[in-house]
Amino acid sequence: EADIYQTPRYLVIGTGKKITLECSQTMGHDKMYWYQQDPGMELHLIHYSYGVNSTEKGDLSSESTVSRIRTEHFPLTLESARPSHTSQYLCASSDPGTRAPISYNEQFFGPGTRLTVL
Amino acid sequence: AQKVTQAQTEISVVEKEDVTLDCVYETRDTTYYLFWYKQPPSGELVFLIRRNSFDEQNEISGRYSWNFQKSTSSFNFTITASQVVDSAVYFCALRESNDYKLSFGAGTTVTVRA
Repeated sequence: EADIYQTPRYLVIGTGKKITLECSQTMGHDKMYWYQQDPGMELHLIHYSYGVNSTEKGDLSSESTVSRIRTEHFPLTLESARPSHTSQYLCASSDPGTRAPISYNEQFFGPGTRLTVL
Repeated sequence: AQKVTQAQTEISVVEKEDVTLDCVYETRDTTYYLFWYKQPPSGELVFLIRRNSFDEQNEISGRYSWNFQKSTSSFNFTITASQVVDSAVYFCALRESNDYKLSFGAGTTVTVRA
């Protein structure tokens, strides 16, 4: 089981502010992901990384950016928050494990950050 | 393209009733992986089970059971003798062998009333 942490858990901020959502995992997983989820709705992948210095945009376009300088850390930044960014942001990590030849690569999720932009 | 459909948006049951959540998937890949996650009101996603496309054996874990049928491209999930703590949103997800990303269904909200 992965240990994955997100801070802050809740954030209320005014329009135009720059924010960084933190995500860290302690299992050495090389793959990490960011999802955006509106209340009661499905998850949308907005960013992913397959290792250090690797970042890709996901299926849903997002104005946020990410970085992956260390294996364990995958922060998400919004340069100028807007009310449309109000949502829950979930971070996840995965690793193929040692159960070769089957590689499930299931994702383990952090507790999420609920962002409200006023 | 891959797609996961959870046709049931919401299910409401009385405690101790059984509830079955449907999940239908689409993929052209012959090797793929299926998952179920639970999202309680607190918001985090909890991994429940995984299956690979070569293993159609059904599985039971306590009050949870899963029915994987490749012939109908379905991976249904049953909660037996439901409890109030089972109230949550349940997501089905698919991963193809050449991709590490997951495709999630829209989720089914289960409400168990005392």
